[in-house]
Amino acid sequence: GQNIDQPTEMTATEGAIVQINCTYQTSGFNGLFWYQQHAGEAPTFLSYNVLDGLEEKGRFSSFLSRSKGYSYLLLKELQMKDSASYLCAVRDSNYQLIWGAGTKLIIKP
Amino acid sequence: DGGITQSPKYLFRKEGQNVTLSCEQNLNHDAMYWYRQDPGQGLRLIYYSQIVNDFQKGDIAEGYSVSREKKESFPLTVTSAQKNPTAFYLCASSQLAGDVWLQFFGPGTRLTVL
Repeated sequence: GQNIDQPTEMTATEGAIVQINCTYQTSGFNGLFWYQQHAGEAPTFLSYNVLDGLEEKGRFSSFLSRSKGYSYLLLKELQMKDSASYLCAVRDSNYQLIWGAGTKLIIKP
Repeated sequence: DGGITQSPKYLFRKEGQNVTLSCEQNLNHDAMYWYRQDPGQGLRLIYYSQIVNDFQKGDIAEGYSVSREKKESFPLTVTSAQKNPTAFYLCASSQLAGDVWLQFFGPGTRLTVL
């Protein structure tokens, strides 16, 4: 079966750095996505990786290792508004998105 | 403003009743999707449509039906055959951004069956 694992919940301090990990086992791989979802709202796109390495976008970076089936999302200079769930999704060989359950990130002052 | 709208935001129904969730987009996207989100689980695909008058079942289509008569609209009907319909329902459409197909989501409808 296809599986994506993320920690259920993480806590970090305002101004700090946090790394959210995602491991996957899917039938094929055609890219990995990170989305942010505030409670009760729509997920919004953060980043995309298809090749190994680091993609940087302002305070957010995402890393991919296809051989290890592993990705992480790195959030720097945390702000209170970053409190949200972060969803990892992999596009499989049928070009369908397989979604992780999400990591709820709690930011404390 | 271009975007995806879902209505209503909150919906309550009695057990045994069918209910239709609305999804409209003015982004001119061909592909549209319906997902269900439950606590502690990833988004699960119910149905998707890549073109008008055509749609395919996703992983959890049982108890649901859809139609795609217009490019802008992709309504989802939750029938009485769906055993556990209480959930947060998300509609999405996709667009090619560079060389990546990105999905964009509507605000969601929270359905509670009493």
